[in-house]
Amino acid sequence: DAGVIQSPRHEVTEMGQEVTLRCKPISGHNSLFWYRQTMMRGLELLIYFNNNVPIDDSGMPEDRFSAKMPNASFSTLKIQPSEPRDSAVYFCASSLAIGREQPQHFGDGTRLSIL
Amino acid sequence: AQSVTQLDSQVPVFEEAPVELRCNYSSSVSVYLFWYVQYPNQGLQLLLKYLSGSTLVKGINGFEAEFNKSQTSFHLRKPSVHISDTAEYFCALNTGGFKTIFGAGTRLFVKA
Repeated sequence: DAGVIQSPRHEVTEMGQEVTLRCKPISGHNSLFWYRQTMMRGLELLIYFNNNVPIDDSGMPEDRFSAKMPNASFSTLKIQPSEPRDSAVYFCASSLAIGREQPQHFGDGTRLSIL
Repeated sequence: AQSVTQLDSQVPVFEEAPVELRCNYSSSVSVYLFWYVQYPNQGLQLLLKYLSGSTLVKGINGFEAEFNKSQTSFHLRKPSVHISDTAEYFCALNTGGFKTIFGAGTRLFVKA
């Protein structure tokens, strides 16, 4: 079975540019999560969706960050304009939201470097 | 408020030695507990989970964890580690809703 698919795996861009990260959750999963991981701050939850609706975006650091989930099989995380401090690994995860016992399934992440 | 504390940020151990990675949690309601593993350049993968029933939970790759309600702990153990177990390990809990709370992680270094 295909797992959570993220693209691109690596992104290097100059500050000020727009960055778009993409995620395809596991088919049938109706909860989707975006995380950011850095050495300094560890794993941070940015936003999560249930049935394509954003439930909690309190972890989104600034207005420069936005996330969408137009359908059950696709989500994007956008940073505009990007800054060097946005450099991190960004993970997408999905789960069955039937009950709280459901684990999250993670993609392999996008390593983002802002120069 | 719920929280997860991983007591060790790094654990070095020699190959074939036993290891214990410690996790304590805080919650006023019942919890579901998880351990995840993250290998270099990969996402987190589920090792094992405690939902209810037997307090000793067995997972993949020979790992097991014991739920101790009185001590609010969920420590991860393996009787004999391999070089390939070198990774970061995350303890996590869920008390309801969609959100899972992750610990800060413990880096396990297995030395030859």
